[in-house]
Amino acid sequence: SYELTQPPSVSVSPGQTARITCSGDALPKKYAYWYQQKSGQAPVLVIYEDSKRPSGIPERFSGSSSGTMATLTISGAQVEDEADYYCYSTDSSGNWVFGGGTKLTVL
Amino acid sequence: EVQLVESGGGLVQPGRSLRLSCTASGFTFGDYAMSWVRQAPGKGLEWVGFIRSKAYGGTTEYAASVKGRFTISRDDSKSIAYLQMNSLKTEDTAVYYCLTGFDYWGQGTLVTVSS
Repeated sequence: SYELTQPPSVSVSPGQTARITCSGDALPKKYAYWYQQKSGQAPVLVIYEDSKRPSGIPERFSGSSSGTMATLTISGAQVEDEADYYCYSTDSSGNWVFGGGTKLTVL
Repeated sequence: EVQLVESGGGLVQPGRSLRLSCTASGFTFGDYAMSWVRQAPGKGLEWVGFIRSKAYGGTTEYAASVKGRFTISRDDSKSIAYLQMNSLKTEDTAVYYCLTGFDYWGQGTLVTVSS
């Protein structure tokens, strides 16, 4: 079955740039989506179609994709950005999958 | 304003069935696919499946972990999507979310499968 691989954790100091990667064999042909989930809350979409930012999402959130890796970048991470982040994409057969999630610590 | 409200969760014994509902408002329900995602306690997100809109045949796709046990359906006249869960296992214990598109999620409903 198709898998998306993320690092379990990323840690940065406030104001630094956080990068969270997501690798998957189908990413060269399929878009990646990124969700932020804070404790006890439903996920929030922060990036769609590799690099587009929904309205209301701060400009410090950006996305990119190259080859089999998609990357979520938080430029100037803030304490309130501490959360779990999940990438989401599909394989060629109509099945969707989440990455295992990355816990971002900002301190 | 788009709203999705899940209901029907609760405690159920292994092997039994449960049906979740997702009541939608604020958009033309029949025009959109509806998805279900779950999250076991302390674990990551897991895609469960989705149903396409009638314009795309109303067909369904499921994760391998639930295929043959779970069924997604929709009632466009009531703006409700359903998740019928049969032969439940303890590992199906999770918060179940419905979503439309990629950006609208409900708040989830907890399903606990335990004897």
